[in-house]
Amino acid sequence: EVQLVESGGGLVQPGGSLRLSCAASGFTFSSYWMHWVRQAPGKGLVWVSRINSDGSSTSYADSVKGRFTISRDNAKNTLYLQMNSLRAEDTAVYYCARDRDSWGDYWGQGTLVTVSS
Amino acid sequence: NFMLTQPHSVSESPGKTVTISCTGSSGSIASNYVQWYQQRPGSAPTTVIYEDNQRPSGVPDRFSGSIDSSSNSASLTISGLKTEDEADYYCQSYDSSSAWVFGGGTKLTVL
Repeated sequence: EVQLVESGGGLVQPGGSLRLSCAASGFTFSSYWMHWVRQAPGKGLVWVSRINSDGSSTSYADSVKGRFTISRDNAKNTLYLQMNSLRAEDTAVYYCARDRDSWGDYWGQGTLVTVSS
Repeated sequence: NFMLTQPHSVSESPGKTVTISCTGSSGSIASNYVQWYQQRPGSAPTTVIYEDNQRPSGVPDRFSGSIDSSSNSASLTISGLKTEDEADYYCQSYDSSSAWVFGGGTKLTVL
């Protein structure tokens, strides 16, 4: 059974940092591109970042470029999102999702990041 | 930047049919596949339609997807509405850098 489990969310002050993790199981993690998608409270889904299967190629939304870094450890079957210089507008539930031909076939349950003083 | 526009909300009665539209801002929406996700409150999104009109296993055939090139839009149609279909629905496609693009979401009320 495919499972994606996010962790690492929490309360952080503006300007602070946080690293999210997404533990994958039930499939060959190293064969799939992965994405982070976020959803601010009461708002819609917004794509954040993606990484290819071996980690050699990444892409970011303009709103997070230069502040967030996506990475992966295929030996540990884990996807990461390092978030620096956090702002109030980064407050959201962050989902990791598996890419199947440019769409998300499996999603994690999400982890909440709250940026507030 | 490529954008997808959805109606904010739609409502219909149980047993009826509802269609949710998703209009592309530029280029041809038919150039890249469109997906539809269902999201119930407090839950992660799940796919109801992928690659324009394909249903994942377990999704009832009451859900169908289509593309209309003349209006540069995609549509999700749900027939025989059930109260359990009440949820937010998002269309999604992607751009040339493989970034996902989501519509703003449509709240479906079944009343």
